[in-house]
Amino acid sequence: GENVEQHPSTLSVQEGDSAVIKCTYSDSASNYFPWYKQELGKRPQLIIDIRSNVGEKKDQRIAVTLNKTAKHFSLHITETQPEDSAVYFCAATKSGYSTLTFGKGTMLLVSP
Amino acid sequence: NAGVTQTPKFQVLKTGQSMTLQCAQDMNHNSMYWYRQDPGMGLRLIYYSASEGTTDKGEVPNGYNVSRLNKREFSLRLESAAPSQTSVYFCASRRTLDTYEQYFGPGTRLTVT
Repeated sequence: GENVEQHPSTLSVQEGDSAVIKCTYSDSASNYFPWYKQELGKRPQLIIDIRSNVGEKKDQRIAVTLNKTAKHFSLHITETQPEDSAVYFCAATKSGYSTLTFGKGTMLLVSP
Repeated sequence: NAGVTQTPKFQVLKTGQSMTLQCAQDMNHNSMYWYRQDPGMGLRLIYYSASEGTTDKGEVPNGYNVSRLNKREFSLRLESAAPSQTSVYFCASRRTLDTYEQYFGPGTRLTVT
């Protein structure tokens, strides 16, 4: 089955810095890669996703890049703000498949 | 729309007790999921129901059972709770196999003593 590795497990940055979280996946057939954000005590919520026919996707301060050859994808957050502090999860799945495989999560702490 | 709802929000059980976690969604989604979240372990899939009338095991099904009562409701049962089942449990739903986003409920924090 699919295996998703996520790094780093914790990331501390100063407000205004950029943050990058990286994930690798094992199944070359995977074609959908979402990122979820979970604030303390809250439910995970989708913030951005990318499909395998696209190399990069941006939404304001967040972007995701995908390298299918290397089987890795990354989340980039620019101009970080304290409200970006949360746990971020990457995941992977493939067409017609019912389940997502999640990475173990990255705790991002943005200090003012 | 309420989205995905879960009851109870918190529960404390003694070892060996049983309980059922309830989940309901009002978005007419076909697929529903139960995850557990433990520190440093991410979200691990316990059971899922790809469509009404079907259920399948996920990564960590031992000690749990599920029932897809109807299209809206998907319950998770612990028959004989163990301290290793202390966790936060999330239910999620997904519209169809052609749409990938999963919508999560607020979670149930379960402690087994």
